[in-house]
Amino acid sequence: AQSVTQLGSHVSVSEGALVLLRCNYSSSVPPYLFWYVQYPNQGLQLLLKYTTGATLVKGINGFEAEFKKSETSFHLTKPSAHMSDAAEYFCAVSGTGTALIFGKGTTLSVSS
Amino acid sequence: DAEITQSPRHKITETGRQVTLACHQTWNHNNMFWYRQDLGHGLRLIHYSYGVHDTNKGEVSDGYSVSRSNTEDLPLTLESAASSQTSVYFCASSELRGDEKLFFGSGTQLSVL
Repeated sequence: AQSVTQLGSHVSVSEGALVLLRCNYSSSVPPYLFWYVQYPNQGLQLLLKYTTGATLVKGINGFEAEFKKSETSFHLTKPSAHMSDAAEYFCAVSGTGTALIFGKGTTLSVSS
Repeated sequence: DAEITQSPRHKITETGRQVTLACHQTWNHNNMFWYRQDLGHGLRLIHYSYGVHDTNKGEVSDGYSVSRSNTEDLPLTLESAASSQTSVYFCASSELRGDEKLFFGSGTQLSVL
């Protein structure tokens, strides 16, 4: 079975500050890991994904995430927050032939 | 452009009624999924399909059913709607299994009164 735990249901940062959204996973098979973003009243969009290879993954809008197998983590970061980054962020895990399982989400608020 | 369309966008129904939510994709993807989104629970997988005539249960499949008669459509049916099924429902599709980027519809807000 696979699962993800997102630490912190709500994160608040100031514009220009570092964004760090935490995700830990559990998987009995080599995982594929994803971050999705959801803007208000919209469906989800893929930010980035880790499948194999380089453990530091770069995504859209300046976000990146690092796969750390020893810590079973896949935290999402962005060096400098922008107002437009305010949204809900979901970490997700799948394995070969398995459907995507999402975490409960983290709402990011950005203040000026 | 290819897309994934859900209908209706909003639906109000009464407990005990049968409700069907439509999902249509023009990506020609084999894989289609239904999730529900609830505050504090994130997205939970209801049912999914890896091809025509293939269906599989997800985490929260009780009270829901799907059928896949063609590549483009995966309708979700609530056999007898319950208030606990009030939620936002998202359909998604993908090209690959496992290593899968999901393309999401805009969602259906369902209220069961």
